[in-house]
Amino acid sequence: SAVISQKPSRDICQRGTSLTIQCQVDSQVTMMFWYRQQPGQSLTLIATANQGSEATYESGFVIDKFPISRPNLTFSTLTVSNMSPEDSSIYLCSVEVGGSTDTQYFGPGTRLTVL
Amino acid sequence: AQKVTQAQTEISVVEKEDVTLDCVYETRDTTYYLFWYKQPPSGELVFLIRRNSFDEQNEISGRYSWNFQKSTSSFNFTITASQVVDSAVYFCALSEGSNYQLIWGAGTKLIIKP
Repeated sequence: SAVISQKPSRDICQRGTSLTIQCQVDSQVTMMFWYRQQPGQSLTLIATANQGSEATYESGFVIDKFPISRPNLTFSTLTVSNMSPEDSSIYLCSVEVGGSTDTQYFGPGTRLTVL
Repeated sequence: AQKVTQAQTEISVVEKEDVTLDCVYETRDTTYYLFWYKQPPSGELVFLIRRNSFDEQNEISGRYSWNFQKSTSSFNFTITASQVVDSAVYFCALSEGSNYQLIWGAGTKLIIKP
């Protein structure tokens, strides 16, 4: 498994501002993922972040709104830009441990409220 | 098309009762993986189990057990002698072949009353 931390754990932000969420893993991993979980909903994959390459975004998510950095094998950031109340969600990062199609382990999540 | 269905939106039982959470999946791949995760009120997702399509053996881990039946495309999760700490949302998920992407069910909210 892997130990994953996220910062901040929660935040309340004003409309139009941006928030950067950090994800730190205790071991080197190739694939990191960012998810959004809207209130009462299941998880939706935002993008996959591999070190040394541009993030791959899922349909409905764009880099201008959710820029991602992956500077090394243990760290990634997700920025939620120009926020609106609709961005209020839990944002989770995950890592895949054990190689292709093995298990994804999740961070504790960042609970974001946009006013 | 791939899909995961958790038909039970919410289940409420009294502590010490047994409870089964249903998961039905759809896939055309012969190689796939099934997962269960627990999400307590704190929000983190806790990995519970991973099962590949070639292993239909049932699994037991303490009070938790999983019944994988390819004939009915189901991967059900049973908690025996439930406890208040089992209260959470439980998600079933599927990944196919070499595709890392997880296909998630809608989740089942489990409420254990003291």
